[in-house]
Amino acid sequence: GQQLNQSPQSMFIQEGEDVSMNCTSSSIFNTWLWYKQDPGEGPVLLIALYKAGELTSNGRLTAQFGITRKDSFLNISASIPSDVGIYFCAGPGAGNQFYFGTGTSLTVIP
Amino acid sequence: NAGVTQTPKFQVLKTGQSMTLQCAQDMNHEYMSWYRQDPGMGLRLIHYSVGAGITDQGEVPNGYNVSRSTTEDFPLRLLSAAPSQTSVYFCASSYWWNTEAFFGQGTRLTVV
Repeated sequence: GQQLNQSPQSMFIQEGEDVSMNCTSSSIFNTWLWYKQDPGEGPVLLIALYKAGELTSNGRLTAQFGITRKDSFLNISASIPSDVGIYFCAGPGAGNQFYFGTGTSLTVIP
Repeated sequence: NAGVTQTPKFQVLKTGQSMTLQCAQDMNHEYMSWYRQDPGMGLRLIHYSVGAGITDQGEVPNGYNVSRSTTEDFPLRLLSAAPSQTSVYFCASSYWWNTEAFFGQGTRLTVV
């Protein structure tokens, strides 16, 4: 299957700090989605990107669709305790299949 | 509006036992899928369906069966549970395969 590698694997930050994470693919994607998983819950969509170079915001979250179409970036500004969770990138691959990244686990220290 | 409902939430099985994880959605979505989540490996696709009567294998299908007799329901069957199937399982549905997926709350399965 297609590989989606996310980095970093985990982050421990102080409340109020900004966060950056990224996702790289072994092949080109036409769509990038970013999901967040709260502890004990299923993932929930945060941001969807549909065009290379696109920059989209959702509150304190900003995501970018890389120009090469093989990567995407997610930034969180002024982190708060409820930002804790696992962040996944995802994209549609070949054969009606959706691929998810390995996840970035975020811990926010009050 | 229930969204995607998975049952059970927790399950412990003995090696060799069989069981069915249930998944139902009330959004009239055509596309449904099952993922397993293991530490450090993200979500991996087990099986998916593009509509009633149509299913296909994902990345890690071995040891699992699915069927889709109605638009609403997409059960996942473990025929003979193995410890390697200890995982958290998520069912998801979406309008189409490349659109936003809505996830259930997950089933935490332990095989001993």
